[in-house]
Amino acid sequence: EVQLLESGGGLVPPGGSLRLSCAASGFSFSNSAMSWVRQAPGTGLEWVSTFGTRGGTYYADSVKGRFTISKDNSKNTLYLQMSSLRADDTAIYYCAKRGGEHYFDYWGLGTLVTVSS
Amino acid sequence: QTVVTQEPSFSVSPGGTVTLTCGLNSGSVSTSHYPSWYQQTPGQAPRTLIYNTNIRSSGVPDRFSGSILGNKAALTITGAQADDESDYYCVLYLATGISMFGGGTKLTVL
Repeated sequence: EVQLLESGGGLVPPGGSLRLSCAASGFSFSNSAMSWVRQAPGTGLEWVSTFGTRGGTYYADSVKGRFTISKDNSKNTLYLQMSSLRADDTAIYYCAKRGGEHYFDYWGLGTLVTVSS
Repeated sequence: QTVVTQEPSFSVSPGGTVTLTCGLNSGSVSTSHYPSWYQQTPGQAPRTLIYNTNIRSSGVPDRFSGSILGNKAALTITGAQADDESDYYCVLYLATGISMFGGGTKLTVL
């Protein structure tokens, strides 16, 4: 059974940093592309970043230069390092496994990040 | 700026059929965008319904179907049930590694 468990969310002041983790199990993590998707309160889903099967990394314009995605295959864990955080980064952050390169097939339950002073 | 468009809201009667669409402000949606659809109820994580235009994810009832209709991707629910009342999101694959969500459609079953 595929399981994705996010952690690391919390309250952080504007300009601060935070690292999210996603512990994966039940599938071949090293051979899988993975993504982060977020949802601000009361709004829709927004793709944030993808770590591709060949190691390529991709970012939404809204986070480019501030967020860094990484993947530790030895720990079956996906990370999202977030810096220069802003109030509009406040959201639930979901970890998602990608089915091939084109869609999301499994989702975690999410972790809440709140950027506020 | 590329925008993926969806109807903000839709209503369907129980047992009825509804088609939600997913468009691009910059042109037509095709199978090359690998349209996918996700269902989300309040407070829950998304659930994958359809991928690669028309392939149902494991465990998804066959009353959900995907297609290309004209210049848009479409999700059709045939025989709507009360628990289909949810938010529905489409995703288009725009370039290598780049995906974009539509704004979502809030479906009411009444």
